Amino acid sequence: GQNIDQPTEMTATEGAIVQINCTYQTSGFNGLFWYQQHAGEAPTFLSYNVLDGLEEKGRFSSFLSRSKGYSYLLLKELQMKDSASYLCAVRDTATGFQKLVFGTGTRLLVSP
Amino acid sequence: GAGVSQSPSNKVTEKGKDVELRCDPISGHTALYWYRQSLGQGLEFLIYFQGNSAPDKSGLPSDRFSAERTGGSVSTLTIQRTQQEDSAVYLCASSPTGSLPMNTEAFFGQGTRLTVV
Repeated sequence: GQNIDQPTEMTATEGAIVQINCTYQTSGFNGLFWYQQHAGEAPTFLSYNVLDGLEEKGRFSSFLSRSKGYSYLLLKELQMKDSASYLCAVRDTATGFQKLVFGTGTRLLVSP
Repeated sequence: GAGVSQSPSNKVTEKGKDVELRCDPISGHTALYWYRQSLGQGLEFLIYFQGNSAPDKSGLPSDRFSAERTGGSVSTLTIQRTQQEDSAVYLCASSPTGSLPMNTEAFFGQGTRLTVV
């Protein structure tokens, strides 16, 4: 089976840095994804990690440690528009294919 | 089309009726996923297709739920004898299938908001 854990909610101030953690346990592993979802909208892709280390993309960075079953999403220079839910998802190969399983998401509130 | 298309965007149905939700994935994407999202909640996995076959149906909540995919393209999710607890947004996503380290991100449709009254 799969188990993906994220904090339920976080708050931060405009201009600050925030780190959203994700821990996972899966039978097989073939990549970890972070998605952003604004209220009432579909999730949109932010980042992908399959090898250990840090992937940087503008204000967003994502880190993966496969041995620890751990990832984080780092958001720098926070803006009000970053208020959204952030979803961690793992591609699980237990079935022999590539099932994509999501955590419950972290609701981030950015205040002025 | 350029993206994943779902229809209808909104559906209100009476308790006990059957509903059919449609998903048109991005052309050429072999993997297709159905998720359910209740208000303020995360994405609950329902079923996953690889081509026309469903290697994993473990997320379907009950035998009232079924899904099929034809021609490696369009998929329909059918809910029979709907109940009020079925009310949610049903999201479809598709992705290409590739081998590591290729990024095979899933692209989401806008969802179908189902309300059972």
